[in-house]
Amino acid sequence: EVKLVESGGGLVQPGRSLKLSCAASGFSFNDYWMGWVRQAPGKGLEWIGEINQDSSTINYTPSLKDKFTISRDNAQNTLYLQMSKLGSEDTAIYYCAREWDTYDYWGQGVMVTVSS
Amino acid sequence: DIQMTQSPSFLSASVGERVTLSCRASQNINKYLDWYQQKLGEAPKLLIYNTNNLHTGIPSRFSGSGSGTDYTLTISSLQPEDVATYFCLQRNSFTFGSGTKLEIK
Repeated sequence: EVKLVESGGGLVQPGRSLKLSCAASGFSFNDYWMGWVRQAPGKGLEWIGEINQDSSTINYTPSLKDKFTISRDNAQNTLYLQMSKLGSEDTAIYYCAREWDTYDYWGQGVMVTVSS
Repeated sequence: DIQMTQSPSFLSASVGERVTLSCRASQNINKYLDWYQQKLGEAPKLLIYNTNNLHTGIPSRFSGSGSGTDYTLTISSLQPEDVATYFCLQRNSFTFGSGTKLEIK
């Protein structure tokens, strides 16, 4: 069974950084692109970015490429999202997802709240 | 940037009714269009990929069609468990539509 479990969320002060993790199981992690998507409370979905199997290609939505960094550790079957200079606009549920043509499996999401 | 316009934003329909949701792109997206269902408090779930391909385990009452800039998701016979918000995603540059909230009348 494909399973994706995000962790590392919580309350963070404006201007600070936070690193999210996504632990993958039930499939061969190093065969797949992976991605991050977020959803602000009561809002729609926003694509953050994606990373290929060997981390040689990483794509971001333009508005976030200077703030967020996607990485992965294939030995640990884990995807990461490093977020910096966080502001209230980054308050959202963050989802990781497996990419095969499209995002076919998603984690349950982790909440990040940016507030003083 | 490719913009995605979903309509309607809200839809109320009866059990058994045929329901059609629409997504329009600001330019040709060459059928790189997917549909997701999100129930309250849950992660999105893939229903349809590449316009008309049903994802594994999705009931056959769901179907997709379209080309160019205009795409539709059809539920042939609405069931109570279909209450959810439905999003489209264009994969030329990864933009989601704003969603259609579907409820039972």
